[in-house]
Amino acid sequence: EAGVTQSPTHLIKTRGQQVTLRCSPISGHTSVYWYQQALGLGLQFLLWYDEGEERNRGNFPPRFSGRQFPNYSSELNVNALELEDSALYLCASSLTRSREETQYFGPGTRLLVL
Amino acid sequence: AQSVSQHNHHVILSEAASLELGCNYSYGGTVNLFWYVQYPGQHLQLLLKYFSGDPLVKGIKGFEAEFIKSKFSFNLRKPSVQWSDTAEYFCAVNGDNNAGNMLTFGGGTRLMVKP
Repeated sequence: EAGVTQSPTHLIKTRGQQVTLRCSPISGHTSVYWYQQALGLGLQFLLWYDEGEERNRGNFPPRFSGRQFPNYSSELNVNALELEDSALYLCASSLTRSREETQYFGPGTRLLVL
Repeated sequence: AQSVSQHNHHVILSEAASLELGCNYSYGGTVNLFWYVQYPGQHLQLLLKYFSGDPLVKGIKGFEAEFIKSKFSFNLRKPSVQWSDTAEYFCAVNGDNNAGNMLTFGGGTRLMVKP
């Protein structure tokens, strides 16, 4: 069974640019979560999508947004990039939205903002 | 709001030594607790999880964790570590105040096992 996949693996952008990161969940999983792992800040919850809807977001500005497609894959968009957006962006999926479901993580997209 | 503390940021052990990594959370309600591991160059993997029942949870690769509700703790243990256990370990919590399954992670503990 294929795991969570993310693309691209690495990305370099400059301040002010926009970026789109992509995530494909495990087949059959309907919930997708995005986390940011920035140096010195640990893993922080960004966004949660389930059944095509944004269900919750973490303490991040509105320039972080995303969507979930009918096939449950997801995109994370970051507008007006800032230097502190440099981080590893992790996507995770779970079978359902239940709090008892395990989240399975992808390999991440490493973003560097210059 | 909930938070998770992992007080040991870096741990260095020799092979065969016993391991205990601390994890404390701050939330008074019902919690689900997780330990994830990130081996060098690999993605986060679930080691073990606690939802209810026996507070001593056994996971993969000989790891176990004990939920002590009165201490708000969920410490990870392994009686005898191997070089291959070198990794970063993350404790995470999902409290019933969450409108969903979002995880709050601790800052992680980097474990280095010397051969």
